[in-house]
Amino acid sequence: KQEVTQIPAALSVPEGENLVLNCSFTDSAIYNLQWFRQDPGKGLTSLLLIQSSQREQTSGRLNASLDKSSGRSTLYIAASQPGDSATYLCAVKDSGGSYIPTFGRGTSLIVHP
Amino acid sequence: DGGITQSPKYLFRKEGQNVTLSCEQNLNHDAMYWYRQDPGQGLRLIYYSQIVNDFQKGDIAEGYSVSREKKESFPLTVTSAQKNPTAFYLCASSIIGSNQPQHFGDGTRLSIL
Repeated sequence: KQEVTQIPAALSVPEGENLVLNCSFTDSAIYNLQWFRQDPGKGLTSLLLIQSSQREQTSGRLNASLDKSSGRSTLYIAASQPGDSATYLCAVKDSGGSYIPTFGRGTSLIVHP
Repeated sequence: DGGITQSPKYLFRKEGQNVTLSCEQNLNHDAMYWYRQDPGQGLRLIYYSQIVNDFQKGDIAEGYSVSREKKESFPLTVTSAQKNPTAFYLCASSIIGSNQPQHFGDGTRLSIL
């Protein structure tokens, strides 16, 4: 069964720092990997989706990479801002046919002015 | 605008009572999902449906029931058999077998009176 781990569980950084959030998964036979943002008391908003054949995706200050062979993905946030404060979750969709994503527990990010 | 609507935003349950959470989508997605989110535990799958009049149990289906009579609607009933229902409930939808992202509603917070 796929297991998804996110490290660190929590992160607090000053504004302006570049930072990296990590996501690891146990089964490399994936269909895609998706990064989400969740604000307190809200649903999840999709940030980036990387297909299994891709190595990275970029959107503005966000860059997500995927290394299937090592079972890892990273979300890079450039020049962090207080508005980036949220919980970031990754979800892995297996290629076995069920198409049901497995979620990590998330990284809670605080960017302070 | 297309999206997923969950209602109510807050819900209180008395002991022995069944309550129903509503989820409606106008994205024309075939697949719909219900997740439970507890602090520090990430998202756990309760039920999912990939077609009208069919649904499958997720990892924590005990004490819950669903129906899928229309493509747009996937209500979740939390029964009195669910002894620890206090949590944040999230509904999601997606296109089956595609690399399109999963979409989420804004959630319902259920508490016990």
